[in-house]
Amino acid sequence: NAGVMQNPRHLVRRRGQEARLRCSPMKGHSHVYWYRQLPEEGLKFMVYLQKENIIDESGMPKERFSAEFPKEGPSILRIQQVVRGDSAAYFCASSPIRAEETQYFGPGTRLLVL
Amino acid sequence: GQQVMQIPQYQHVQEGEDFTTYCNSSTTLSNIQWYKQRPGGHPVFLIQLVKSGEVKKQKRLTFQFGEAKKNSSLHITATQTTDVGTYFCAGLRIAGNMLTFGGGTRLMVKP
Repeated sequence: NAGVMQNPRHLVRRRGQEARLRCSPMKGHSHVYWYRQLPEEGLKFMVYLQKENIIDESGMPKERFSAEFPKEGPSILRIQQVVRGDSAAYFCASSPIRAEETQYFGPGTRLLVL
Repeated sequence: GQQVMQIPQYQHVQEGEDFTTYCNSSTTLSNIQWYKQRPGGHPVFLIQLVKSGEVKKQKRLTFQFGEAKKNSSLHITATQTTDVGTYFCAGLRIAGNMLTFGGGTRLMVKP
């Protein structure tokens, strides 16, 4: 029973490039959450999605960041024109029904912007 | 918006000493969850508290939810080096649809 999968685990980009992070939730889970964690800091909520719907994106920067969770395939967090300040660990979590349920975290994608 | 504060931010203890981290929410919570993140790892769910005044134990870990459902604590008795990591609380406000994480308490245990 596979857990939450994220890829790539590590991603290096130069300033101005695009970063695309993928998250496959646990089987049977229809709710996906993306968090960002700067070194030595806490988890900052970015966006909450269900299949084909963005439920809450209040934590996501208005520019350059976008997220989707299509009917088929993984959830994607896209960062356009990356800057050094985007360097962080990006964690995806999934839950079976809603936020009241336990969230299961993936291993994260460590993004480094040179 | 809802804020969840955790103290202390860091705690160094000698192996065998006790450790407590405190979590306070600016709003009344529907439930509170605790997660542990080992260095270099990802958050792992520990427990969920739902009822006012609830106390739950997992071996050396004791979790409490305040009567007003606005604060919580995690107490570890006789710490071990395997307890090293960052402990996060995460609160779900009433009628909310997402968890708000505290800043975490980073525990370091000296053998």
